[in-house]
Amino acid sequence: GAVVSQHPSWVICKSGTSVKIECRSLDFQATTMFWYRQFPKQSLMLMATSNEGSKATYEQGVEKDKFLINHASLTLSTLTVTSAHPEDSSFYICSASDRGQGTGELFFGEGSRLTVL
Amino acid sequence: GESVGLHLPTLSVQEGDNSIINCAYSNSASDYFIWYKQESGKGPQFIIDIRSNMDKRQGQRVTVLLNKTVKHLSLQIAATQPGDSAVYFCAENSRNSGYSTLTFGKGTMLLVSP
Repeated sequence: GAVVSQHPSWVICKSGTSVKIECRSLDFQATTMFWYRQFPKQSLMLMATSNEGSKATYEQGVEKDKFLINHASLTLSTLTVTSAHPEDSSFYICSASDRGQGTGELFFGEGSRLTVL
Repeated sequence: GESVGLHLPTLSVQEGDNSIINCAYSNSASDYFIWYKQESGKGPQFIIDIRSNMDKRQGQRVTVLLNKTVKHLSLQIAATQPGDSAVYFCAENSRNSGYSTLTFGKGTMLLVSP
């Protein structure tokens, strides 16, 4: 099946620094990628929809200046958590749909665990 | 979609039992449903999907049932194994939205005892 890779899988940073997380579709082209946030024992919450070549669409309550999303190519989207604070510590997961399929199935990355000290 | 809960409901079963995990959805326009398995510290893993023109679909050891009348989805796991222990999420999508938004249910933690 299609593979989505996230990097890094875990990161620890100091408060006030910025962290970039990459999401790559390895064997397919993804016009659209999605970024989720997941707190312990909770479901995935959609943060934003990343569209190749255009601005991301953010869900209500998600600060676009805090969580910068760039989808520069059909295989790469990045999420930058700017000026991270301890409350930003979470599990961030991306997913992508294969534009060649058009079935709606999403392929998920393995997630990136961010810990802000 | 469903609201997100702070505490995951838990289903505890013995190895070899059959497990049934339930999910309710609210969007009448949803026409594509997926079950995901998420192990600790990992991303969701696709298990099985079903489209609204079906009410049952079977995979290897898993069966998904869809009842559109009451907006209910279930995942049945036959002969549950310890390796099935994980959190299971249902998700819904809609062609009307161009399959642009996948809405997740709150999840159920499955604990399988040997």
